[in-house]
Amino acid sequence: DTGVSQNPRHKITKRGQNVTFRCDPISEHNRLYWYRQTLGQGPEFLTYFQNEAQLEKSRLLSDRFSAERPKGSFSTLEIQRTEQGDSAMYLCASSPHGDTQYFGPGTRLTVL
Amino acid sequence: EDQVTQSPEALRLQEGESSSLNCSYTVSGLRGLFWYRQDPGKGPEFLFTLYSAGEEKEKERLKATLTKKESFLHITAPKPEDSATYLCAVQAGDKLVFGAGTILRVKS
Repeated sequence: DTGVSQNPRHKITKRGQNVTFRCDPISEHNRLYWYRQTLGQGPEFLTYFQNEAQLEKSRLLSDRFSAERPKGSFSTLEIQRTEQGDSAMYLCASSPHGDTQYFGPGTRLTVL
Repeated sequence: EDQVTQSPEALRLQEGESSSLNCSYTVSGLRGLFWYRQDPGKGPEFLFTLYSAGEEKEKERLKATLTKKESFLHITAPKPEDSATYLCAVQAGDKLVFGAGTILRVKS
């Protein structure tokens, strides 16, 4: 069990560019979650997968955001036409049964 | 609306000075309350899950308790390595709703 991994760990991009983040959950965890955290705040829920099905999306997830989990294993989060307000830490978590969630190290996005 | 409020926002302790962090919550049908520790620039690290009022969990110098309206994280004789942000969250449906956290600094 190597824990949840996320790549890249840091991403700096210019406003208007597209970015994609990857999350590899703990093996055999069928639930995968994406959260966003800004400085001084707790993580905020973005979206959630059970296996390959995306079951819930927050209203925070505008149409510039899309997430996939094509084979029920790793997941990607893409942000199109990035804005400075998208700068944040993007966290991925996985869970075996839908209760305790285990978080990865996060991807810090900076939009210039 | 599901909501979590943590207090204080920041806490400074001397090494060995015990204290408590508070987490007040409102949620329709509590399915679980979670405590996490977060170091700067890292993801939250799971500490405890509490499911029902009266439940207590302990790990080293930390003890978490739960009532119907709030949870406490008690820190006994803290050490500098306990310095971190402590996050409280409640399970609302399939997602976690977090508080803003308490920043703990322990000075030697």
